[in-house]
Amino acid sequence: KQEVTQIPAALSVPEGENLVLNCSFTDSAIYNLQWFRQDPGKGLTSLLLIQSSQREQTSGRLNASLDKSSGRSTLYIAASQPGDSATYLCAVRKRFDNDMRFGAGTRLTVKP
Amino acid sequence: DTGVSQDPRHKITKRGQNVTFRCDPISEHNRLYWYRQTLGQGPEFLTYFQNEAQLEKSRLLSDRFSAERPKGSFSTLEIQRTEQGDSAMYLCASSLRTGERFTDTQYFGPGTRLTVL
Repeated sequence: KQEVTQIPAALSVPEGENLVLNCSFTDSAIYNLQWFRQDPGKGLTSLLLIQSSQREQTSGRLNASLDKSSGRSTLYIAASQPGDSATYLCAVRKRFDNDMRFGAGTRLTVKP
Repeated sequence: DTGVSQDPRHKITKRGQNVTFRCDPISEHNRLYWYRQTLGQGPEFLTYFQNEAQLEKSRLLSDRFSAERPKGSFSTLEIQRTEQGDSAMYLCASSLRTGERFTDTQYFGPGTRLTVL
């Protein structure tokens, strides 16, 4: 059974700092990995999707990397802003599976 | 607003009552998913529709849960004889199947928060 773990569970940083969020998964036979953002009491917003054949994806200040063989992904946020405060979730999908397995998330607080 | 919508946003009910939630996906999307999320956890997959056909159900979906998508557009999720353990956020997502399977991005609705007293 695929297990997805996110470390740390919570992170607080001052505005302007660069930071890295970690995601690990136990079964490396994934089809893709996706990073989401969730604001309190709200649904999820997709940030980046990395196919298993890719090593990284970038969108603005966000960069996600994937090392499938070691079962790891990182989400790098550059020059953090208070508006980045949210819970960040990673989710993996196996080939021929229609569901995604989510981690519990990292709750990020960026202090002004 | 052309995003995924869910109704109601909040529902408080007494144990043993039945509840029904509605999800309206993005109009051209042919796939629809239901997830459940408890506090401090990531969403867990419940079930999935391709058009009106329910193609997969998680073991989390007990006999008290039923989902429908009668015309391949909106979907309903009903929970019968609710229990306190059913208290959670119920999320709906939709996506559009492309030529290559499983590359579709899921767009999530705001969720329905259920509290069972």
